[in-house]
Amino acid sequence: KNQVEQSPQSLIILEGKNCTLQCNYTVSPFSNLRWYKQDTGRGPVSLTIMTFSENTKSNGRYTATLDADTKQSSLHITASQLSDSASYICVVSARSGDYKLSFGAGTTVTVRA
Amino acid sequence: ETGVTQTPRHLVMGMTNKKSLKCEQHLGHNAMYWYKQSAKKPLELMFVYNFKEQTENNSVPSRFSPECPNSSHLFLHLHTLQPEDSALYLCASSQDHPSGGPRNEQFFGPGTRLTVL
Repeated sequence: KNQVEQSPQSLIILEGKNCTLQCNYTVSPFSNLRWYKQDTGRGPVSLTIMTFSENTKSNGRYTATLDADTKQSSLHITASQLSDSASYICVVSARSGDYKLSFGAGTTVTVRA
Repeated sequence: ETGVTQTPRHLVMGMTNKKSLKCEQHLGHNAMYWYKQSAKKPLELMFVYNFKEQTENNSVPSRFSPECPNSSHLFLHLHTLQPEDSALYLCASSQDHPSGGPRNEQFFGPGTRLTVL
């Protein structure tokens, strides 16, 4: 069964500090991996997408990495802001007939002033 | 209106009620989805419509009934729900390839927070 595990489940950081979120997956064969940000009361919004050949992708202060050999991805938030408080969801797509998406449970990030 | 809209944003219903959730996408996409999001759990895909045809039904109980009258509108009809059905229901849309292939980015609505008493 294809699975996506995210850690930590939640974290609290001070404004201006950096943090890194982890995503481990067993999805195979692999097509792509997306990180979504979900603000409270909103739907998820895509931050980055990476395919097999990409090992890093940035979107402003967000940098995602991918190690397709170990099936691990990380999302690094640099110089955190209060607006970064949200849930971050890792989504992996299989490269198969139906290209199913497998979702992680998310990491809840709280940035405090 | 832009993007994906959902109404109502909040809904409280008894187990014997009948209600409907509405989703509308203004992006010209050809695929629409219903997801269930429970606290601390991964999103659960419920239904998929491609070109108005239902292509996936992930073993969802019959008390949830989807309807897709056209490529821009999607409904989720609810009846005789259980308290464990309380969750955030998210609608999404994407522009997918007619012949299949990797799914493009899904754009989500804000969700309907459903509480079943």
